[in-house]
Amino acid sequence: GDSVTQMEGPVTLSEEAFLTINCTYTATGYPSLFWYVQYPGEGLQLLLKATKADDKGSNKGFEATYRKETTSFHLEKGSVQVSDSAVYFCALDGTASKLTFGTGTRLQVTL
Amino acid sequence: DGGITQSPKYLFRKEGQNVTLSCEQNLNHDAMYWYRQDPGQGLRLIYYSQIVNDFQKGDIAEGYSVSREKKESFPLTVTSAQKNPTAFYLCASSMGSGSATDTQYFGPGTRLTVL
Repeated sequence: GDSVTQMEGPVTLSEEAFLTINCTYTATGYPSLFWYVQYPGEGLQLLLKATKADDKGSNKGFEATYRKETTSFHLEKGSVQVSDSAVYFCALDGTASKLTFGTGTRLQVTL
Repeated sequence: DGGITQSPKYLFRKEGQNVTLSCEQNLNHDAMYWYRQDPGQGLRLIYYSQIVNDFQKGDIAEGYSVSREKKESFPLTVTSAQKNPTAFYLCASSMGSGSATDTQYFGPGTRLTVL
Protein backbone atom coordinates (compact mmCIF):
# COMPACT_ATOMS: atom_id res chain seq x y z
CA GLY A 1 0.00 0.00 0.00
CA ASP A 2 0.87 3.67 -0.06
CA SER A 3 3.29 5.00 2.53
CA VAL A 4 5.21 8.18 3.36
CA THR A 5 8.43 8.36 5.34
CA GLN A 6 9.66 11.63 6.85
CA MET A 7 12.82 12.39 8.74
CA GLU A 8 12.33 12.27 12.46
CA GLY A 9 12.42 15.45 14.42
CA PRO A 10 12.67 17.65 16.17
CA VAL A 11 14.77 19.76 13.86
CA THR A 12 16.28 22.73 15.66
CA LEU A 13 17.74 25.59 13.63
CA SER A 14 18.88 29.12 14.21
CA GLU A 15 17.02 31.89 12.44
CA GLU A 16 18.19 32.42 8.84
CA ALA A 17 19.56 28.86 8.59
CA PHE A 18 18.81 26.62 5.61
CA LEU A 19 16.08 24.02 6.08
CA THR A 20 15.68 20.60 4.53
CA ILE A 21 13.06 18.09 5.67
CA ASN A 22 13.32 14.80 3.83
CA CYS A 23 10.28 12.95 2.54
CA THR A 24 10.17 9.75 0.52
CA TYR A 25 7.14 7.81 -0.59
CA THR A 26 5.92 4.47 -1.87
CA ALA A 27 2.87 4.41 -4.11
CA THR A 28 1.44 2.82 -7.18
CA GLY A 29 0.75 5.04 -10.12
CA TYR A 30 1.44 8.76 -10.08
CA PRO A 31 0.20 10.34 -6.86
CA SER A 32 0.03 14.03 -6.12
CA LEU A 33 2.33 15.11 -3.28
CA PHE A 34 1.69 17.68 -0.56
CA TRP A 35 3.32 19.46 2.33
CA TYR A 36 1.03 20.61 5.11
CA VAL A 37 2.00 22.71 8.14
CA GLN A 38 0.43 22.57 11.60
CA TYR A 39 0.92 25.35 14.13
CA PRO A 40 0.37 24.52 17.82
CA GLY A 41 -3.24 23.73 18.65
CA GLU A 42 -4.44 24.27 15.09
CA GLY A 43 -5.53 22.26 12.09
CA LEU A 44 -3.41 21.59 9.03
CA GLN A 45 -2.76 24.23 6.41
CA LEU A 46 -1.73 23.38 2.88
CA LEU A 47 1.79 24.69 2.32
CA LEU A 48 2.50 23.50 -1.22
CA LYS A 49 1.80 20.69 -3.64
CA ALA A 50 3.01 19.08 -6.85
CA THR A 51 0.93 16.94 -9.16
CA LYS A 52 3.45 15.36 -11.54
CA ALA A 53 7.09 14.42 -11.85
CA ASP A 54 9.57 17.32 -11.91
CA ASP A 55 6.92 19.79 -10.74
CA LYS A 56 8.13 22.25 -8.13
CA GLY A 57 5.66 23.46 -5.53
CA SER A 58 6.46 26.70 -3.75
CA ASN A 59 4.87 29.01 -1.18
CA LYS A 60 6.11 31.49 1.44
CA GLY A 61 9.75 30.77 0.59
CA PHE A 62 9.31 27.01 0.93
CA GLU A 63 9.76 24.74 -2.07
CA ALA A 64 9.75 21.04 -2.91
CA THR A 65 10.35 19.18 -6.16
CA TYR A 66 8.55 15.97 -7.15
CA ARG A 67 11.35 13.51 -7.94
CA LYS A 68 9.92 10.33 -9.37
CA GLU A 69 13.31 8.68 -9.89
CA THR A 70 14.10 8.90 -6.19
CA THR A 71 10.45 8.85 -5.01
CA SER A 72 11.14 11.96 -2.94
CA PHE A 73 9.57 15.33 -2.18
CA HIS A 74 11.98 17.08 0.16
CA LEU A 75 10.94 20.40 1.68
CA GLU A 76 13.46 23.26 1.60
CA LYS A 77 13.67 26.87 2.67
CA GLY A 78 16.67 29.09 2.25
CA SER A 79 16.29 31.17 5.42
CA VAL A 80 13.96 30.10 8.22
CA GLN A 81 12.28 32.45 10.67
CA VAL A 82 11.06 31.91 14.22
CA SER A 83 7.51 32.07 12.85
CA ASP A 84 8.21 28.91 10.80
CA SER A 85 8.29 26.84 13.99
CA ALA A 86 5.61 24.20 13.49
CA VAL A 87 5.06 20.56 12.56
CA TYR A 88 5.40 19.75 8.87
CA PHE A 89 3.60 16.80 7.27
CA CYS A 90 4.36 15.23 3.93
CA ALA A 91 1.43 13.46 2.27
CA LEU A 92 0.46 11.74 -0.93
CA ASP A 93 -2.90 11.48 -2.64
CA GLY A 94 -3.47 7.89 -3.66
CA THR A 95 -6.66 6.15 -4.61
CA ALA A 96 -10.10 7.72 -4.12
CA SER A 97 -8.53 11.01 -3.07
CA LYS A 98 -7.40 9.45 0.22
CA LEU A 99 -4.38 11.11 1.75
CA THR A 100 -1.56 9.10 3.30
CA PHE A 101 0.50 11.11 5.77
CA GLY A 102 3.98 10.87 7.16
CA THR A 103 4.40 11.07 10.92
CA GLY A 104 5.32 14.75 10.85
CA THR A 105 8.56 16.63 11.56
CA ARG A 106 8.67 19.25 14.28
CA LEU A 107 10.73 22.33 13.41
CA GLN A 108 11.96 24.65 16.13
CA VAL A 109 13.64 27.88 15.05
CA THR A 110 15.54 29.91 17.65
CA LEU A 111 16.90 33.45 17.63
CA ASP B 1 -15.27 33.75 4.26
CA GLY B 2 -15.27 30.22 2.88
CA GLY B 3 -13.91 27.53 5.11
CA ILE B 4 -14.37 24.58 7.40
CA THR B 5 -15.59 24.96 10.95
CA GLN B 6 -15.37 22.38 13.70
CA SER B 7 -17.02 22.61 17.06
CA PRO B 8 -16.38 22.52 19.88
CA LYS B 9 -12.65 23.22 20.04
CA TYR B 10 -12.30 21.27 23.28
CA LEU B 11 -14.57 18.46 24.41
CA PHE B 12 -14.57 16.39 27.56
CA ARG B 13 -16.41 13.12 27.90
CA LYS B 14 -16.91 10.61 30.63
CA GLU B 15 -16.18 7.00 29.88
CA GLY B 16 -19.18 5.18 28.47
CA GLN B 17 -20.73 8.23 26.85
CA ASN B 18 -21.20 8.84 23.15
CA VAL B 19 -20.19 12.25 21.84
CA THR B 20 -20.71 13.97 18.48
CA LEU B 21 -18.18 16.27 16.83
CA SER B 22 -19.45 18.81 14.35
CA CYS B 23 -17.92 19.64 10.97
CA GLU B 24 -19.41 22.17 8.55
CA GLN B 25 -18.03 23.52 5.28
CA ASN B 26 -19.22 26.28 2.96
CA LEU B 27 -16.76 25.55 0.16
CA ASN B 28 -19.35 23.63 -1.88
CA HIS B 29 -17.09 20.58 -1.69
CA ASP B 30 -18.50 17.14 -2.44
CA ALA B 31 -16.04 15.12 -0.38
CA MET B 32 -15.48 15.25 3.38
CA TYR B 33 -13.12 13.36 5.67
CA TRP B 34 -12.45 12.68 9.34
CA TYR B 35 -8.96 12.06 10.67
CA ARG B 36 -7.58 11.25 14.06
CA GLN B 37 -4.21 12.61 15.21
CA ASP B 38 -2.25 11.15 18.13
CA PRO B 39 1.04 12.54 19.49
CA GLY B 40 4.03 11.54 17.37
CA GLN B 41 1.87 9.98 14.69
CA GLY B 42 0.57 11.13 11.38
CA LEU B 43 -3.10 11.52 10.65
CA ARG B 44 -5.18 8.38 10.30
CA LEU B 45 -8.37 8.29 8.26
CA ILE B 46 -11.54 7.35 10.16
CA TYR B 47 -14.33 7.83 7.61
CA TYR B 48 -14.83 9.67 4.36
CA SER B 49 -17.75 10.64 2.19
CA GLN B 50 -17.61 11.49 -1.50
CA ILE B 51 -21.28 12.35 -1.89
CA VAL B 52 -24.37 13.04 0.21
CA ASN B 53 -25.93 9.96 1.81
CA ASP B 54 -22.87 7.84 1.17
CA PHE B 55 -19.72 7.23 3.21
CA GLN B 56 -16.94 4.67 3.53
CA LYS B 57 -14.82 3.38 6.36
CA GLY B 58 -11.25 4.50 6.55
CA ASP B 59 -8.36 2.76 8.24
CA ILE B 60 -9.59 3.05 11.86
CA ALA B 61 -13.42 3.17 11.72
CA GLU B 62 -14.11 0.87 14.68
CA GLY B 63 -15.90 2.68 17.48
CA TYR B 64 -16.92 5.63 15.28
CA SER B 65 -19.98 6.45 13.21
CA VAL B 66 -20.86 9.23 10.74
CA SER B 67 -23.73 10.58 8.70
CA ARG B 68 -23.87 12.73 5.58
CA GLU B 69 -27.42 14.04 5.24
CA LYS B 70 -26.35 17.42 3.87
CA LYS B 71 -23.51 18.41 1.58
CA GLU B 72 -22.23 20.96 4.09
CA SER B 73 -22.20 18.75 7.16
CA PHE B 74 -20.36 15.57 8.19
CA PRO B 75 -20.74 14.91 11.94
CA LEU B 76 -18.64 12.26 13.66
CA THR B 77 -19.91 10.29 16.66
CA VAL B 78 -17.36 8.74 18.97
CA THR B 79 -19.15 5.85 20.62
CA SER B 80 -18.47 4.13 23.92
CA ALA B 81 -17.05 1.24 21.88
CA GLN B 82 -14.00 3.30 20.96
CA LYS B 83 -11.38 2.03 23.39
CA ASN B 84 -9.02 4.98 23.35
CA PRO B 85 -10.90 8.07 22.13
CA THR B 86 -8.67 10.78 23.59
CA ALA B 87 -7.14 12.46 20.54
CA PHE B 88 -7.21 15.47 18.24
CA TYR B 89 -9.85 15.09 15.53
CA LEU B 90 -9.56 16.86 12.20
CA CYS B 91 -12.18 17.27 9.52
CA ALA B 92 -11.28 18.01 5.91
CA SER B 93 -13.05 18.56 2.63
CA SER B 94 -12.17 18.55 -1.05
CA MET B 95 -13.87 18.91 -4.41
CA GLY B 96 -13.73 15.13 -4.67
CA SER B 97 -13.10 15.26 -8.38
CA GLY B 98 -10.40 12.61 -8.19
CA SER B 99 -8.22 14.75 -10.43
CA ALA B 100 -4.54 15.31 -9.75
CA THR B 101 -5.26 18.87 -8.65
CA ASP B 102 -7.83 17.92 -6.00
CA THR B 103 -6.72 19.17 -2.59
CA GLN B 104 -7.98 18.55 0.93
CA TYR B 105 -8.50 21.55 3.20
CA PHE B 106 -8.66 21.14 6.95
CA GLY B 107 -10.69 22.56 9.79
CA PRO B 108 -9.15 23.79 13.07
CA GLY B 109 -9.75 20.51 14.90
CA THR B 110 -11.49 19.31 18.05
CA ARG B 111 -9.49 18.01 20.99
CA LEU B 112 -11.43 15.25 22.75
CA THR B 113 -10.45 14.17 26.25
CA VAL B 114 -12.04 11.24 28.03
CA LEU B 115 -12.10 11.69 31.77
